Amino acid sequence: SSDLIQPLSVSVALGQTARITCGGNNLGSKNVHWYQQKSGQAPVLVIYRDKNRPSGIPERFSGSNSGNTATLTISRVQAGDEAEYYCQVWDSSIAHYVFGTGTAVTVL
Amino acid sequence: EVQLLESGGGLVQAGGSLRLSCAASGFSFSSYAMSWVRQAPGKGLEWVSGISDRGGSTYYADSVKGHFTISRDNSKKTLYLQVNSLRAEDTAVYYCAKSGDSDFWSGDGMDVWGQGTTVTVSS
Repeated sequence: SSDLIQPLSVSVALGQTARITCGGNNLGSKNVHWYQQKSGQAPVLVIYRDKNRPSGIPERFSGSNSGNTATLTISRVQAGDEAEYYCQVWDSSIAHYVFGTGTAVTVL
Repeated sequence: EVQLLESGGGLVQAGGSLRLSCAASGFSFSSYAMSWVRQAPGKGLEWVSGISDRGGSTYYADSVKGHFTISRDNSKKTLYLQVNSLRAEDTAVYYCAKSGDSDFWSGDGMDVWGQGTTVTVSS
C-alpha cells in the first residue's frame, strides 16, 4: 500500500519540540519530503530527501527516516510554526507522488 | 525571483472543461519536471499529474486518468492542465509545482509552488 499515515493533530507548548510522524510500508527505502501549509497559503517545502533543509528554512526544522516511519521535528517551536504539515514520497512502484494525510500543529 | 503563476480556473458546470495554465519565471523551466497538485475545500493535498522536463513522460493519479491531460510549452515557459468531463469532486484549488530534477525518479520534492487557481464544478 502507498498510504502515508500522519496523526491528525499535534499540540506543543511555545518553545518546546514538536514531532510529526509519517508512517508507510518500508518508508525508509524512499525519499521523504515535508511541506508546511499555513492557512490560506500554498505549501512550502521544509525538508527534502528525509533530512535536508532548503535555503531559507530555519535549522529548527529537521527530519529523519527509518524503517516504516519518517519524522519531522520542529525545535524551539514558535507561534509562526502553526500550520498543516504533509509528508510526501514518489512511489516508484506506481509512478505516483503520494501525500500523507496531514497533521495540524497547534502552538499552545 | 523564482515564480509560478496559475490561471484559468473558474466556475463550470458538471461535464464541462477548462484549461489551466501555469506561467514560470526566474528559473530554467525546460530543465525541470513539473506537477499539478490539488486541494479540495477543507481537505488535504492530492497529487494530480506530472510531466518530465521535455514532456516525454507524463504521469496521472488514478482519479483523473483519462479526463485530465498535462502538457507543457518550454518555449513559452508554461505548464498546462486540460481538465475535461468535470465532476463535483474535481472542485479544488489547483497548484502547479516545480520539482528538483528533470524527472521524478530521483525522488526529489517540489521546491517551488504557485498560489493556485480555483476550480468550482456546479451540478
